[in-house]
Amino acid sequence: EDQVTQSPEALRLQEGESSSLNCSYTVSGLRGLFWYRQDPGKGPEFLFTLYSAGEEKEKERLKATLTKKESFLHITAPKPEDSATYLCAVQDTDSWGKLQFGAGTQVVVTP
Amino acid sequence: NAGVTQTPKFRVLKTGQSMTLLCAQDMNHEYMYWYRQDPGMGLRLIHYSVGEGTTAKGEVPDGYNVSRLKKQNFLLGLESAAPSQTSVYFCASGPYSNQPQHFGDGTRLSIL
Repeated sequence: EDQVTQSPEALRLQEGESSSLNCSYTVSGLRGLFWYRQDPGKGPEFLFTLYSAGEEKEKERLKATLTKKESFLHITAPKPEDSATYLCAVQDTDSWGKLQFGAGTQVVVTP
Repeated sequence: NAGVTQTPKFRVLKTGQSMTLLCAQDMNHEYMYWYRQDPGMGLRLIHYSVGEGTTAKGEVPDGYNVSRLKKQNFLLGLESAAPSQTSVYFCASGPYSNQPQHFGDGTRLSIL
């Protein structure tokens, strides 16, 4: 059974204080790993897809990396507008598009 | 540019009542999904569809039914609501199985 574990559950950062979020996963075969951002009262917003170990994607202050067992979302010099819950999800090779989500990491960035 | 639209945004039901949640997408996506989100548990898949006229069970399908009569719409029904179905429901759509899913802003459902 596919499993996704995100850590930490919550993270409080000062503006400019870089940090990393972890997503560890267990799947029989990885078709893709997805990162989403979710603001309160809103649906998840797509950030990145990673398909193979060693792949990296960047967008503004965010960088996602992938190994065979985990993914990291690095937040460099965060700003208050980066405050959100970050969700990780994996897709198995035989899942017909189904995603298995982690519980998320809630990030708060204070000025 | 609407994307994925969910109706209604909020609803309060009494135990035993029925209702239908509507999801509409304007991106011509083949795949559509219904999830529920509960505190500390992440998003869990209820039902999904890989094309018009098709539906399949997800991780937590009990107590729910779905229909996809038109490609752009995916309906989620609760025949006899229970307090355990109090949750936030999200609909998503995607073009292919390994492409990102696009989410609506959710329906907040309370069952008393």
